[in-house]
This record gives sequence, C-alpha cells and structure tokens, in this order.
Amino acid sequence: QKEVEQDPGPLSVPEGAIVSLNCTYSNSAFQYFMWYRQYSRKGPELLMYTYSSGNKEDGRFTAQVDKSSKYISLFIRDSQPSDSATYLCAPKSDSWGKLQFGAGTQVVVTP
Amino acid sequence: EPEVTQTPSHQVTQMGQEVILRCVPISNHLYFYWYRQILGQKVEFLVSFYNNEISEKSEIFDDQFSVERPDGSNFTLKIRSTKLEDSAMYFCASNEGNQPQHFGDGTRLSIL
Repeated sequence: QKEVEQDPGPLSVPEGAIVSLNCTYSNSAFQYFMWYRQYSRKGPELLMYTYSSGNKEDGRFTAQVDKSSKYISLFIRDSQPSDSATYLCAPKSDSWGKLQFGAGTQVVVTP
Repeated sequence: EPEVTQTPSHQVTQMGQEVILRCVPISNHLYFYWYRQILGQKVEFLVSFYNNEISEKSEIFDDQFSVERPDGSNFTLKIRSTKLEDSAMYFCASNEGNQPQHFGDGTRLSIL
C-alpha cells in the first residue's frame, strides 16, 4: 500500500465550479498536512498547511483533515482557469521532517 | 516575498561526469532539503540538512550524492558520477522548522 495516494485525474471542471480533491494516507504518525500546487516545470507552491484534524479556510481554499479515517481534502471555490495545475498533498510526521508527497491530481478549469 | 532560488535552471551533462546543483534558501531558514521528481512521477525526498549535517536521507541518496553548505547562503547537491537515471527535476526547499517547506523552481538535470 502506498503511503500517500491521490487520484491522478485529470479532473476537468467549468470555471466557477467547486473543485474537490482528496488524498488518503496509511501512516498514522502523520500530523502535519500540506497542500501544494505545481504548475508545469515549476516547483511546488504551498497552498495550505494544517496540523492534526480539522478544517482550515484561506480565501477560496478550504482544507479538511480527518485523522481517524486518514483522509485529507482540499476544496477550491469559484475556480478560475489559473487554478489549472497539479495539486499535491504532502503530509509529514515531524514539524522539521521530510514531506511524503502523493503523485498529485491534475486539475483543468475550462473557461 | 522571500523565495528559494536555484541555479542553473537546466543542466546538461555527460554520463559519468560530476554535477553540482546550487540553491540559495530563504535567509532566516535553518532546515534545508533536496527532493527530486523524475518526469511523470511524484516528488521524492532525497536528504535533509540542519546545523551543518545531514539529519535524514532516503535510499536514493547513496554514496554518489553529497550535500554541503559552503557558506552562509548557499546549499549545494553534488552528484559525483552521473547516471542516465539521475535525469530529473531537482528541487531545493527550506523552512524554519515548525513551518512548512518552501520550494525553489528546480534544476532540470539531463544526463546524456
């Protein structure tokens, strides 16, 4: 079983729709959960950072973590064509430790 | 906003040659990392570095790889004798410890 799993997509949505992204993990030691956005041939760009279970909202982005089911979600409201990218979930167990990336979900927002 | 910078953006090297990838982490950060991403695959951890020593390394980070912080601003990854399978994007990241890691835009390494 992979440590971090994501549906690779592509996930195609019309502009203005809500994008729903999911990630599952197997390591119960993970406590810190990051979502990164990656454009083609660019480095991962931090979107959201949460600690332990719960919800966090930042502008159009909402991250949810359910540690009991080892399930992480990212929602993007009012999606824009500029949101077209690959979204990577990346949990870790220690605040200073390595990130364990999922393979990423490709999102395409069509005008 | 401060950012992690990496040079060069693209490096082409003959198999068997040594290559050095350079990174300037964000200035007040204390923890430094190298990751790589083979085309079409996920981002993989290589090594973390703190207080002038390696704190963790992956199975990928074998004796062909080394890291160094030669001065107060640069962080380098050296591959001694490159192989075809070393072709990938290499990303440098840094953080303050209990904050998320910030990434550079990477160096694309092509081994011929």
